[in-house]
Amino acid sequence: EPEVTQTPSHQVTQMGQEVILRCVPISNHLYFYWYRQILGQKVEFLVSFYNNEISEKSEIFDDQFSVERPDGSNFTLKIRSTKLEDSAMYFCASRAGNTGELFFGEGSRLTVL
Amino acid sequence: SQQGEEDPQALSIQEGENATMNCSYKTSINNLQWYRQNSGRGLVHLILIRSNEREKHSGRLRVTLDTSKKSSSLLITASRAADTASYFCATDKGYSTLTFGKGTMLLVSP
Repeated sequence: EPEVTQTPSHQVTQMGQEVILRCVPISNHLYFYWYRQILGQKVEFLVSFYNNEISEKSEIFDDQFSVERPDGSNFTLKIRSTKLEDSAMYFCASRAGNTGELFFGEGSRLTVL
Repeated sequence: SQQGEEDPQALSIQEGENATMNCSYKTSINNLQWYRQNSGRGLVHLILIRSNEREKHSGRLRVTLDTSKKSSSLLITASRAADTASYFCATDKGYSTLTFGKGTMLLVSP
């Protein structure tokens, strides 16, 4: 069964460092998303991406964040200068159309020290 | 905000009992979806109900949708210990991102 894969599963970084989280969405999907979940809290939308550009982003997705689909398979989330409050589980998701079921990866846990 | 809000926040039941979780939202939707999350894992899609549907079944799951009250419920019948997880509703306008609620943490004791 096709699945969304994310790497790394866990990353520990120092405050101020750059972090890149990687995702491989399901191959025939066209819409890609990043969500985050601070421990025990709700799942928060960060950004959606379609046709090689951001289609929607939340207030959380400020200038420190960027996304890229560099090679037609990977979908990356970059945090330029991490803050303590960026510590969370980051989930990548994809879907075939702009509505319907979202397929999530297992997440990348980011710990900022 | 069209964010779904689930209640209760936490629910503890015995195996074999039914579990009911509710979700309320604020704006019009194209569909509403329920997801499950085991601790520390990704979200898994359970069921989708469209705005023109009132009830949907999938195995031991029953979802209802009342668009006039902007609410939905998820019923899990004959619960098992393996149903222990967090359950989230998510609203979908149809051309935009899914917006998730805070979730209900379900604990099913053997």
